[in-house]
Amino acid sequence: NAGVTQTPKFQVLKTGQSMTLQCAQDMNHEYMSWYRQDPGMGLRLIHYSVGAGITDQGEVPNGYNVSRSTTEDFPLRLLSAAPSQTSVYFCASSSIITTGESGGYTFGSGTRLTVV
Amino acid sequence: LAKTTQPISMDSYEGQEVNITCSHNNIATNDYITWYQQFPSQGPRFIIQGYKTKVTNEVASLFIPADRKSSTLSLPRVSLSDTAVYYCLVGGNTGTASKLTFGTGTRLQVTL
Repeated sequence: NAGVTQTPKFQVLKTGQSMTLQCAQDMNHEYMSWYRQDPGMGLRLIHYSVGAGITDQGEVPNGYNVSRSTTEDFPLRLLSAAPSQTSVYFCASSSIITTGESGGYTFGSGTRLTVV
Repeated sequence: LAKTTQPISMDSYEGQEVNITCSHNNIATNDYITWYQQFPSQGPRFIIQGYKTKVTNEVASLFIPADRKSSTLSLPRVSLSDTAVYYCLVGGNTGTASKLTFGTGTRLQVTL
């Protein structure tokens, strides 16, 4: 089924470890974004990309890196995990036109990350 | 980017119509209004989007007054499965789409 695929679904890291959260979409969407959601909170934008080779920072970028070498993939890297990065991470994609009949963003099912 | 304000929570009985209002006083001329639904342990799901007046689909209706400073999501005859968090967002025009900001949303609880 077409959509946004995130892996892994669950991950436990030790403080200081690094890892990459994977995100792939098969809808040929130009825009891709990473959000984090803490308990009882709304989603906060980490990084986003408007196309291959182009990325920019969102609201809470510190401690995270991204790259966009292809249209399909938008991995999120945690450089040195900290307990404050314990959260649920969502990847989202959309076409360049997100208005009208486009249907807005399509979100993945999330990665639940715990840093101990 | 336009800031939105929604009620933190709402309660309803099954079968009732639920109206969730969102205020966005500084909405820009080219901004659209989009609503998402989020169930526990899932990513948000697009519900409906509009620019002005009224939009209706198989899930909900969206009412937007002429001044566009607020909008109302209407869910007809809710069921227990409509229990979720509902987010109102403004923006979405080319160039700003990737910076959409989610607030804390409205937590809707539907009971028998």
